[in-house]
Amino acid sequence: ETGVTQTPRHLVMGMTNKKSLKCEQHLGHNAMYWYKQSAKKPLELMFVYNFKEQTENNSVPSRFSPECPNSSHLFLHLHTLQPEDSALYLCASSPPGPLTEAFFGQGTRLTVV
Amino acid sequence: AQKITQTQPGMFVQEKEAVTLDCTYDTSDQSYGLFWYKQPSSGEMIFLIYQGSYDEQNATEGRYSLNFQKARKSANLVISASQLGDSAMYFCAMSPGRSGGSNYKLTFGKGTLLTVNP
Repeated sequence: ETGVTQTPRHLVMGMTNKKSLKCEQHLGHNAMYWYKQSAKKPLELMFVYNFKEQTENNSVPSRFSPECPNSSHLFLHLHTLQPEDSALYLCASSPPGPLTEAFFGQGTRLTVV
Repeated sequence: AQKITQTQPGMFVQEKEAVTLDCTYDTSDQSYGLFWYKQPSSGEMIFLIYQGSYDEQNATEGRYSLNFQKARKSANLVISASQLGDSAMYFCAMSPGRSGGSNYKLTFGKGTLLTVNP
């Protein structure tokens, strides 16, 4: 247990569905992240939030919409996804400062059918 | 831009033996951090060890040690006395050393799948 919890753990959705991924941390961290892990590819950073403000959008398509209502919660809203969006979506959080490790959740395994 | 290269897609090691997982990096930053993460089949990324670019000593955490060779831009992970539970994907990562949230992002390598044989 790293202290970062993601729900659901598995999600199967159709291309016309709308769903949301949830991430929660009570570690007192101020930064939260969404990463995408596709098969045989390195982890790709999607979004960064610092004190609830989005500070990084790594050219992510608009069908992925993040939301950070407070420093402890992060959502990723999904709509009209494509099959190639199927991947493991990992949430992470970190304390202040650049040279600190990120704590990851267990991820949501997303399958788009 | 930062880049991490892990050239070993897969590695095998006998239980109780040591194994080295390779990692080379490329960056123009003077200050940066290097990390190793373990990802078991459950999916969670588990932090193992950290090395700062200005740290003169190689980092150690229990059975994990990081062989940091700055001139060669390498940060190999050494696992001593391998255990069956060490079987997992291992990722090398780095972050820039500048402060500020927008500059904090981990760049990951493609990973190495370690299999520990009994």
